[in-house]
Amino acid sequence: EVQLVESGGGLVQPGGSLRLSCATSGFTFSSYWLHWVRQAPGKGLVWVSRINNDGSSTNYADSVKGRFTISRDNAKNTLYLQMNSLRAEDTAVYYCARNIGAGIDIWGQGTMVTVSS
Amino acid sequence: QPVLTQSSSASASLGSSVKLTCTLSSGHSSYIIAWHQQQPGKAPRYLMNLEGSGSYNKGSGVPDRFSGSSSGADRYLTISNLQSEDEADYYCETWDSNTQVFGGGTKLTVL
Repeated sequence: EVQLVESGGGLVQPGGSLRLSCATSGFTFSSYWLHWVRQAPGKGLVWVSRINNDGSSTNYADSVKGRFTISRDNAKNTLYLQMNSLRAEDTAVYYCARNIGAGIDIWGQGTMVTVSS
Repeated sequence: QPVLTQSSSASASLGSSVKLTCTLSSGHSSYIIAWHQQQPGKAPRYLMNLEGSGSYNKGSGVPDRFSGSSSGADRYLTISNLQSEDEADYYCETWDSNTQVFGGGTKLTVL
């Protein structure tokens, strides 16, 4: 069974940092692009970042560019999101997701990040 | 970059059919999209990807009641024989070489 399991969310003060992880199983991790997508409370889905299968290419939404860094460890089948200089507007559930070349096909269950003093 | 436009809400009666629309921005009418369902309090679930030709590929376990079609820049998700569990938010997704994009979502109410 294909699984994506996020962790690392929590409460952090504005200006702080947090590192999210997404542990995966059930598929050949190194063959797939991966994404982070977030959803603020009561709002829609917003794409955050993506990384290609070997980690050599990354893209970011303008709202997080320069503050967030996506990375992956193909030996550990794990995706990461390093989030720095966090703001109140970064408060959201963060989902990791697998890409099949024609969109996202598998979603994790999400991890909540709250930025508040 | 592409922009996806969805109606904010839709409603239909139990057992009837509903057609949700996702419209691609000018210059992007040939793009493939994907449809996702998000039931209340749950993570999103992939339903299908849909080409401009109207050809679609559904995810594993997606009921036959769900189908896709296309016309120009419009991409449709049709749900037949509506069930109570179909009450959810529905999002479309597309992408280009630099970004991934989601529509604003349609909240479907089953009456």
